[in-house]
Amino acid sequence: KQEVTQIPAALSVPEGENLVLNCSFTDSAIYNLQWFRQDPGKGLTSLLLIQSSQREQTSGRLNASLDKSSGRSTLYIAASQPGDSATYLCAVKGNQFYFGTGTSLTVIP
Amino acid sequence: GAVVSQHPSWVICKSGTSVKIECRSLDFQATTMFWYRQFPKQSLMLMATSNEGSKATYEQGVEKDKFLINHASLTLSTLTVTSAHPEDSSFYICSARPAGGRVDEQFFGPGTRLTVL
Repeated sequence: KQEVTQIPAALSVPEGENLVLNCSFTDSAIYNLQWFRQDPGKGLTSLLLIQSSQREQTSGRLNASLDKSSGRSTLYIAASQPGDSATYLCAVKGNQFYFGTGTSLTVIP
Repeated sequence: GAVVSQHPSWVICKSGTSVKIECRSLDFQATTMFWYRQFPKQSLMLMATSNEGSKATYEQGVEKDKFLINHASLTLSTLTVTSAHPEDSSFYICSARPAGGRVDEQFFGPGTRLTVL
């Protein structure tokens, strides 16, 4: 069974810092990997989707990379802002979505 | 486009009662909808997959007689938690795959917070 792990579980940084969130998965047979944002008590907002054949995707200040062979993905956030504070989930799509437990990010003004 | 709504957004009920949660695709037809559950500090776990007009497929460990799923139309799926107990308190999120969409394409609803007293 696919297992998805996210490190760190929580992260607190001062505003303006660049940061990296890590995601690892055990089964490389995936269709894609997605990074989501979840605000407290809210649903999921898709941030970036990387197909299994791709290496990275970029959207604004966000950059996600995928190394399928090693079962790893990173989400890079540049110039962090207080509004980036949320829980970030990665999910890999095999026969279903498998989610990590998330990284709770706090950006301090 | 591709908006999924859930109703209610939160519900509090007494132990032993049944609660119905609706998941609607607002601007597209969804042949397949998915129901997830998220306990505090834990990840989302898939509970079941529902296909319009057929019985839902439940993941291992999910009681199909307790979590009744109906997907009667291409825009609506409902999850009924029967005889709810405090351990059923959780955040329930649905997602919908557009008809004819890619197998990896899903749009998520905002979730429903269920608290059973």
